[in-house]
Amino acid sequence: GQSLEQPSEVTAVEGAIVQINCTYQTSGFYGLSWHQQHDGGAPTFLSYNALDGLEETGRFSSFLSRSDSYGYLLLQELQMKDSASYFCAAPSYNQGGKLIFGQGTELSVKP
Amino acid sequence: SAVISQKPSRDICQRGTSLTIQCQVDSQVTMMFWYRQQPGQSLTLIATANQGSEATYESGFVIDKFPISRPNLTFSTLTVSNMSPEDSSIYLCSVGEGASYTFGSGTRLTVV
Repeated sequence: GQSLEQPSEVTAVEGAIVQINCTYQTSGFYGLSWHQQHDGGAPTFLSYNALDGLEETGRFSSFLSRSDSYGYLLLQELQMKDSASYFCAAPSYNQGGKLIFGQGTELSVKP
Repeated sequence: SAVISQKPSRDICQRGTSLTIQCQVDSQVTMMFWYRQQPGQSLTLIATANQGSEATYESGFVIDKFPISRPNLTFSTLTVSNMSPEDSSIYLCSVGEGASYTFGSGTRLTVV
């Protein structure tokens, strides 16, 4: 089976940097994805790490360490619009396969 | 990446009735996934919709309650049958393409 753990909530101020961690336990591991969901909206795919290291996409970066069963999403230059829930998720058998989601981290960005 | 059109966006239904949710993808995809998101919770996979064969259901979900159709590689439906208030949730379809995932806009279902 698989399980992914992430903090339930994080608070940061506008302009700051915040890191949302995700640890996982899986019987087979193919990568870690991150998704953003604004209140009342559908999830939006942010990134996918299949290999160890840092992937950067604009203000958002995602990191994976397979040896530590750990990843994180890094958000820089926080903006009020970044207030949302962030989910880590792992495909259960291959890339593009069904996802198992963590419980989500609610990020609140304060002025 | 794929674009998914999901409808209805929301509905309020009487208990005991059924609702069918549709998802149309703008490209052919092998697998489509149906998720449920209960209020304040994360996404839970209901089933994988396979074209040409029966859907594969996750533990705790059964075909009689959530029948799924997948008539071709661009379309799928999920029916929530014999609804109760506990079925009030957001239902989402999704596709995976390599290292990228796309979600439908979701159906917000309220059962009264």
